[in-house]
Amino acid sequence: QLQLQESGPGLVKPSETLSLTCGVSGGSISSFTKYYWGWIRQSPGKALEWIGTIYYDGTTYYNPSLKSRVIMSVDMSRNHFSLTLHSVSAPDTAVYFCARLPYGGYIDYWGQGTLVAVSS
Amino acid sequence: DVQMTQSPSTLSAAVGDRVTITCRASQSVNSWVAWYQQKPGKAPKLLIYKASILESGVPSRFSGLGSGTEFTLTISSLQPDDFATYFCLQYNSDSRTFGHGTKVDI
Repeated sequence: QLQLQESGPGLVKPSETLSLTCGVSGGSISSFTKYYWGWIRQSPGKALEWIGTIYYDGTTYYNPSLKSRVIMSVDMSRNHFSLTLHSVSAPDTAVYFCARLPYGGYIDYWGQGTLVAVSS
Repeated sequence: DVQMTQSPSTLSAAVGDRVTITCRASQSVNSWVAWYQQKPGKAPKLLIYKASILESGVPSRFSGLGSGTEFTLTISSLQPDDFATYFCLQYNSDSRTFGHGTKVDI
């Protein structure tokens, strides 16, 4: 059974960098050649927001509204993928989810989510 | 971006009720809509994809319909385990967007 688990600091100071990792268990990222991997977030009281997707070969798509601040990467040796969000501010406070996407584009597996607060 | 307007935001129902949740897209997304169930503190669970295809292992009381701009998720006979929040996702483009969610409670 595939499982995804987000990890990273729960508190980040304004203007600093948010870094999260999604560990994949129950399979190897490199074997999932028909899948993309993604990050989504949910700020309090708001709808879920798509952050971006990455393929195992490093091909990425980023939400245009976040593109200037986002970097995603895959580390197949550690079987995880990562999210970096630069220059955070209070509106970046959210629960961050990682996910797997069949090539067709929906999400079939989600992590449980991790709350990241931006505060001094 | 395509906006997904989901209604109602909350729904009070009883065990055995038939419930329907709607998502309307601001432009056509063909049939590229998925539905999810989420319970507090847990990962969302895929119910339906491509508007009407039931994910493996999901009870048949869940069904999805629609194409273009209007989509529905129906639970034919609400069970105690179904009290949760439901949301839709359009994936017609790389800029995927979600509905705001519908909380189904007693």
